[in-house]
Amino acid sequence: DARVTQTPRHKVTEMGQEVTMRCQPILGHNTVFWYRQTMMQGLELLAYFRNRAPLDDSGMPKDRFSAEMPDATLATLKIQPSEPRDSAVYFCASGLQRTGGRNGYTFGSGTRLTVV
Amino acid sequence: AQTVTQSQPEMSVQEAETVTLSCTYDTSESDYYLFWYKQPPSRQMILVIRQEAYKQQNATENRFSVNFQKAAKSFSLKISDSQLGDAAMYFCAYGRNRDDKIIFGKGTRLHILP
Repeated sequence: DARVTQTPRHKVTEMGQEVTMRCQPILGHNTVFWYRQTMMQGLELLAYFRNRAPLDDSGMPKDRFSAEMPDATLATLKIQPSEPRDSAVYFCASGLQRTGGRNGYTFGSGTRLTVV
Repeated sequence: AQTVTQSQPEMSVQEAETVTLSCTYDTSESDYYLFWYKQPPSRQMILVIRQEAYKQQNATENRFSVNFQKAAKSFSLKISDSQLGDAAMYFCAYGRNRDDKIIFGKGTRLHILP
């Protein structure tokens, strides 16, 4: 089965440190999403890309978060500097443009980030 | 702006019984689709069922079915013959077709009582 791969699965870091989370979308998928899951807010859309170009990053705090797709097989989400309130599970999902309604989107297993 | 509301933070159902999870959404778009995702304790997000807004017929997948009321902007999930493995967090999601933006409700935690 094709899958979305996220690394690392868990990350514990100290406040102020840079954190980088990586996502390998399913080969051939051209739409990539980043979500943040917390108990209070549920699943929040941070940013998403189509054909490596950002379509919407309005959900992302711009002062400390950045998202990129250096190539079609890698999406990254960086937090610099990290803060305790960034502690959450970060999910990546991928799909094929305009077929999401028929096929759905595939999620990775998430990165659980803890900032102490 | 589009919103998705799940008004039941938690629900419980007896094993083998039927349960319905509620979801409402708000949109001015005409071309969109709706999903239910399941998140078990493993935290993996699993697509349960999907519905395209232009289709009047309600989607079904084995024991899972939806009641899609487009005019009321309602999209509920019915689970028949509940099983212990159905215990999870369930998320309703809305996606708009013109740019694939997907937003989620806050989820309903479903407990299955043996």
